[in-house]
Amino acid sequence: QKEVEQDPGPLSVPEGAIVSLNCTYSNSAFQYFMWYRQYSRKGPELLMYTYSSGNKEDGRFTAQVDKSSKYISLFIRDSQPSDSATYLCAMSGVSSGSARQLTFGSGTQLTVLP
Amino acid sequence: NAGVTQTPKFRVLKTGQSMTLLCAQDMNHEYMYWYRQDPGMGLRLIHYSVGEGTTAKGEVPDGYNVSRLKKQNFLLGLESAAPSQTSVYFCASGEAGTSGRTDTQYFGPGTRLTVL
Repeated sequence: QKEVEQDPGPLSVPEGAIVSLNCTYSNSAFQYFMWYRQYSRKGPELLMYTYSSGNKEDGRFTAQVDKSSKYISLFIRDSQPSDSATYLCAMSGVSSGSARQLTFGSGTQLTVLP
Repeated sequence: NAGVTQTPKFRVLKTGQSMTLLCAQDMNHEYMYWYRQDPGMGLRLIHYSVGEGTTAKGEVPDGYNVSRLKKQNFLLGLESAAPSQTSVYFCASGEAGTSGRTDTQYFGPGTRLTVL
């Protein structure tokens, strides 16, 4: 079993829809949670960053972390064709000072149809 | 700032050939990483470095070597390429420190490598 599980999709939604992307994880030591967006043939770019449980909002994007369920979500409101990309969740535990290793999900491919 | 750059962008090798991928960052980051990305597998860490002159193994280090002679550069070498090393390779860099925010990594555009 992978440490981080993410539904690969693909997911297609009409423009304006609310999108929900999810990851589950098994390592209870994870405390830092990130969402990266990766456009086709590009490198991943950081979209959202959260620490521990709770919600974080940034414009049309909301990240949620439920550590008791080991479940994280990314919501996209009023989705736009420009949101079409692969979304990767990533997480890490308490760092010992020498390593900054992230564990990534396999990514969910999202297409927003105009 | 250019951020993280990678050279080359594309490469085709024959089995047994060698090559070096170059990563450069201009953000003065201490940490640098090499990943490979394969369909359905996500990003897997090959090697990483926590500072100039240091390297460490990641999740899938076999068949690869790395060097960090200068803080801004991180080289990934394939001594004898195999078809299983066909992949997209990403370099990333990040800050040092104790804050969790420093777990953020900044990625380059990738190198697409095909081994025939």
